Amino acid sequence: DQQVKQNSPSLSVQEGRISILNCDYTNSMFDYFLWYKKYPAEGPTFLISISSIKDENEDGRFTVFLNKSAKHLSLHIVPSQPGDSAVYFCAASWGANSKLTFGKGITLSVRP
Amino acid sequence: GAVVSQHPSWVICKSGTSVKIECRSLDFQATTMFWYRQFPKQSLMLMATSNEGSKATYEQGVEKDKFLINHASLTLSTLTVTSAHPEDSSFYICSARMIAGQGPNTEAFFGQGTRLTVV
Repeated sequence: DQQVKQNSPSLSVQEGRISILNCDYTNSMFDYFLWYKKYPAEGPTFLISISSIKDENEDGRFTVFLNKSAKHLSLHIVPSQPGDSAVYFCAASWGANSKLTFGKGITLSVRP
Repeated sequence: GAVVSQHPSWVICKSGTSVKIECRSLDFQATTMFWYRQFPKQSLMLMATSNEGSKATYEQGVEKDKFLINHASLTLSTLTVTSAHPEDSSFYICSARMIAGQGPNTEAFFGQGTRLTVV
């Protein structure tokens, strides 16, 4: 049973436009959500997170939106840049220091 | 930001031998570290949770006798793949989260990963 779902395997956007990456979850116990960026043969790097007590969190070009009633979160990247091309993983956990449950990831390609 | 160092970054070994992978938190203490495995074009799959000073907690389907985990200190966890076989070839990644109160957030920090190839 996959508790964190990233249903779209890939996304291609034009440089300068907005990238919207979606993630859904099924476990209502999750209270902390994170987005990671990963290049091939490297470990994931943290991008941005959001606690379940918030609806939105922004950090520069990255904004994460959380809709708890829909059990849905999304990552917005604007403006998108070619260097943003990578695999993006959505992850969720409940409680501090607990394990992360990852989605399958989505491959973002930003065209120059 | 916090740094997790994983070593080696890649290793090739013969079938039947054992391989040890180290995961170190360089500038923070981690009572808990996590070991993941990633197959090509698939998600990160949690293998086990490594607890300092106690036995690791393994996810369902992961052979604890094959994947030995030792968490001897607050900054070091090791994963040993015993009697490796070609099907164990994969990308192994460790992560650590700060002890609550040590940092402003609770994101996990990942090592660089280890590409294991068993021939």
